[in-house]
Formats: sequence, structure tokens, C-alpha cells
Amino acid sequence: DAGITQSPRHKVTETGTPVTLRCHQTENHRYMYWYRQDPGHGLRLIHYSYGVKDTDKGEVSDGYSVSRSKTEDFLLTLESATSSQTSVYFCAISESHSGANVLTFGAGSRLTVL
Amino acid sequence: GQNIDQPTEMTATEGAIVQINCTYQTSGFNGLFWYQQHAGEAPTFLSYNVLDGLEEKGRFSSFLSRSKGYSYLLLKELQMKDSASYLCAVMDSNYQLIWGAGTKLIIKP
Repeated sequence: DAGITQSPRHKVTETGTPVTLRCHQTENHRYMYWYRQDPGHGLRLIHYSYGVKDTDKGEVSDGYSVSRSKTEDFLLTLESATSSQTSVYFCAISESHSGANVLTFGAGSRLTVL
Repeated sequence: GQNIDQPTEMTATEGAIVQINCTYQTSGFNGLFWYQQHAGEAPTFLSYNVLDGLEEKGRFSSFLSRSKGYSYLLLKELQMKDSASYLCAVMDSNYQLIWGAGTKLIIKP
């Protein structure tokens, strides 16, 4: 068990408000990821982190920022939420499994922007 | 561009066998993954292929042909709990994962 928890699990907010999603892991994994999942699309990488204060953009980073001040916490912030950011957000860590770097996902955070 | 194609939805009968195909066009190849995702839950890792051939793991097997840009996931002795979406993902030359949109598998009694 990779010990990943996401909070909040569900959130409804209004357009223009800031939103922060939190991902917490308990096993000291170096790599952490934020994905969004939308119907008809594959999982899309928003941002990832390869260590404390070390982050990089994914394919859909516009409108999102991240921070990692501690190994165990990776925060995703929507500075001013838009309806296009209504989605399910998954945090993930990377760990070695059978010679591959396998992603283990948190339970997801469902965000609705009205 | 990079692309992963898999059928949107498939239906199969409990106890039968089903094959879910995945074709890919990516910038380089560093492995192919299959994940299972039950409705409302997170994806979970099923299998990994980096060399051509078949990898068997219980009722599930995964096949890879790198020359054809093709993989399939084979599920045998289907059970109702196998109703889920199956996600194909390829790691490209930059070690980034490219994901397919997933195949929703419906199992009927």
C-alpha cells in the first residue's frame, strides 16, 4: 500500500474561485504526479515533481500551479477555477514493480466548477 | 503526434474470454502498461510489457508486438467483477506516459 491520500475527495466551487487539492503520501516516494481524467480522454498529466521544490509541467499545465515543500505533500492549485477544469483529479506516485516504474494512484478528487 | 487507440466499449459473457486491443504511435518506446479502473475508483496496475511476446498473470495475459505498435490484454474465465475500464499506456522516449482513453468492458451473466 503506497499510502496515498487525496483531499478533498469532492468539491463544488464557482468560476473564478481558487481551489487547492492536496496529495499526501507516507512512504517517501520521490516522484509525484497530478493527472486529470475526463470522459473520452486518456489520463492527462498536469504537473509532476521529482523532489522537494522540484516540479515540472505536463501536457495540460495551463491554469494550474503546484508546490512541494515537503516530500510527503504535493499540492495542486487552480488560481481561478474555470468550468473547463471540472474533472476528476488523480495524484500518483511512481514505484518500482517487476522492473518497471509503475504508477500507484490516489482515490481521486472530483471537482465541479459551476 | 502521439496516439493510443483502443475500442471505447466491449461486451462479453461471464465465463468467456475477451481480448482488448491497443495500437500506438509514439515517439520512441520504453514499455507498455495496462491498468484496470472500476467505475468511480482509481486505476490500478495490471501488467507491463517491454519485450515482444506474451506475459501471463493468472487469468490475465498481455501481449506486445513492437514492430506493429500493437498490444492486447486477454482476460480469461470472465467474472462479473472484471466489469471495468481497461487503460493502455505507453512510455515514450522521454519516459512520459501516453494514455489511451480506455476500453469499458461490460460483462453480462
